[in-house]
Amino acid sequence: EVQLVESGGGLVQPGGSLRLSCAASGFTFSSSEMNWVRQAPGKGLEWISYISGSDNTIYYADSVKGRFTISRDNAKNSLFLQMNSLRAEDTAVYYCARGVVTLDYWGRGTLVTVSS
Amino acid sequence: DIQMTQSPSSLSASVGDRVTITCRASQTISSYLSWYQQKPGKAPKLLIYGASSLQSGVPSRFSGSESGTDFTLTINSLQPEDFATYYCQQSYSIPYTFGQGTKLEIK
Repeated sequence: EVQLVESGGGLVQPGGSLRLSCAASGFTFSSSEMNWVRQAPGKGLEWISYISGSDNTIYYADSVKGRFTISRDNAKNSLFLQMNSLRAEDTAVYYCARGVVTLDYWGRGTLVTVSS
Repeated sequence: DIQMTQSPSSLSASVGDRVTITCRASQTISSYLSWYQQKPGKAPKLLIYGASSLQSGVPSRFSGSESGTDFTLTINSLQPEDFATYYCQQSYSIPYTFGQGTKLEIK
């Protein structure tokens, strides 16, 4: 069974940093493209980053480019999102999701709250 | 960026009804269109990919179609568990973009 479990969310002050993790199981993680998608409270879905299985191709949404860094550890079946210079508008539930043409499996999400 | 305009933003229907949700892309996206269902407090669930292919395990009352840059999700014979929010998403080009969502409520 495919499972994606996010962790690392919490309350952080504006300008602070946080590192999210996504533990994957039930599929060949090293050959799977992965994404981070977020959802602000009461709002819609926003794709924010993609990483290829080999780690050679990475994309970001303009809203996070230069502040967030996606990475992966294929030996540990883990996906990461390093978030720096956090802003109030980054407050959201962050989901990891598998896929490139379509996002076929999603984790349950981890809540990040940016507030003083 | 490709804009995905979804309509309606909300919809009231009864169990047994047939409903249609539409998504219009601001430019061609070929068939790189997926539909997701999201229930409160839960992660999105993939329903349709490639505009019209049903994801494994999804009931056949869900279907997708396309006409140019217009995409449609149809739910036949609504069931109580179908009341949720639905999103379209294009994966033709980066950044992937979602429609704003359609909240399907019980009439």
